[in-house]
Amino acid sequence: QSALTQPASVSGSPGQSITISCTGTSSDVGGYNYVSWYQQHPGKAPKLMIYEVTNRPSGVPDRFSASKSGNTASLTISGLQADDEADYYCSSYTSISTWVFGGGTKLTVL
Amino acid sequence: EVQLVESGGGLVQPGRSLRLSCAASGFTFDDYAMHWVRQAPGKGLEWVSGISWNDGSITYADSVKGRFTISRDNAKNSLYLQMNSLRPEDTALYYCAKDRGMVPTLGKDYWGQGVLVTVSS
Repeated sequence: QSALTQPASVSGSPGQSITISCTGTSSDVGGYNYVSWYQQHPGKAPKLMIYEVTNRPSGVPDRFSASKSGNTASLTISGLQADDEADYYCSSYTSISTWVFGGGTKLTVL
Repeated sequence: EVQLVESGGGLVQPGRSLRLSCAASGFTFDDYAMHWVRQAPGKGLEWVSGISWNDGSITYADSVKGRFTISRDNAKNSLYLQMNSLRPEDTALYYCAKDRGMVPTLGKDYWGQGVLVTVSS
């Protein structure tokens, strides 16, 4: 159950777009369309931003989008805003019926 | 409004036990799978365990298998985590999370605020 691989940090200026990658294996990200993305502000509980690879829950702005190619999933945030500054985690269902998270990516809005 | 409220955390010595509870409201509890996820201080999220709506499917992370037991009482709208043989590396904020489906497969859409467990002598 190795953690999924995410960049430790990314940054962008307000209005710009950034993309966070999440790399796993064929036993998790590549094998299932059960990839989720979570946003976590300091001291707060995680918030679901994307489920089943590409779907946004109601209330999540359409500035947040996601995709998957092979064993790598990606989260793109367009039109960056100050409140987007947070930690982002990807998560995937696995072939042994468990879940695995990425190590997290700290997004800084410059 | 979906609410998940964890309780039962605290300071415990290595090797001892602790039982966490999660009280759920605002949704039909027995229609959904549930999870426990933890976060060590300053670290990332780690999935701990998941349970289907009817206890038919229960899974654990390798790091807790054989020591932790997840359970639920649908009549009481409650989720539990019995933690035995606790280790210092189990120190973390423990979150209760609701799945989007009946089996713990679709992803976690609501989370509690977490309860702190500290394992130290």
